[in-house]
Amino acid sequence: DTEVTQTPKHLVMGMTNKKSLKCEQHMGHRAMYWYKQKAKKPPELMFVYSYEKLSINESVPSRFSPECPNSSLLNLHLHALQPEDSALYLCASSQIDNRVGGYTFGSGTRLTVV
Amino acid sequence: GNSVTQMEGPVTLSEEAFLTINCTYTATGYPSLFWYVQYPGEGLQLLLKATKADDKGSNKGFEATYRKETTSFHLEKGSVQVSDSAVYFCASGSRLTFGEGTQLTVNP
Repeated sequence: DTEVTQTPKHLVMGMTNKKSLKCEQHMGHRAMYWYKQKAKKPPELMFVYSYEKLSINESVPSRFSPECPNSSLLNLHLHALQPEDSALYLCASSQIDNRVGGYTFGSGTRLTVV
Repeated sequence: GNSVTQMEGPVTLSEEAFLTINCTYTATGYPSLFWYVQYPGEGLQLLLKATKADDKGSNKGFEATYRKETTSFHLEKGSVQVSDSAVYFCASGSRLTFGEGTQLTVNP
């Protein structure tokens, strides 16, 4: 299995809703990432997990809450989002030394906040 | 910190034309370099990579050579196809500093 699977593919949520994005990989990668991508822009790093522990938080607002329940799963919990948070959210994974194979990205969740 | 500069797009070519997308980087030391491709509605796919100076990455007819003298990693393909239409991102380092991306459109 050489894929990163993200669900759901599309999500529309109101500003008072609570929702979660899910990401799963079975490549044995011990580093997992959340990125945010706005239209016509490169992905922006949000969080990095190494060995299931949060190692980097790029000053992301607390309305985004990541969770890594085990080495295969990564969640992003969303609460009280703003319309400007609408974007494509990408999950990625890699070996701890990413020079070996680079990052493997999922297809993303396209989030719309209304 | 690291930074990556890509040639501005969009780039429009006819099928079988030669493609070059320029990429230069600034970094401390010699970071790994990557090209990623993003097809419409999808995530990013690793196209090729190079981990040290003079390495050449290649995949699906695309090539890029790690040039430390010019701090460059230009992407080339000898004959593009309509199916190559996508956004191409150059990236560097262990935490993937991305360039701004280059939209490529190939017309039949």
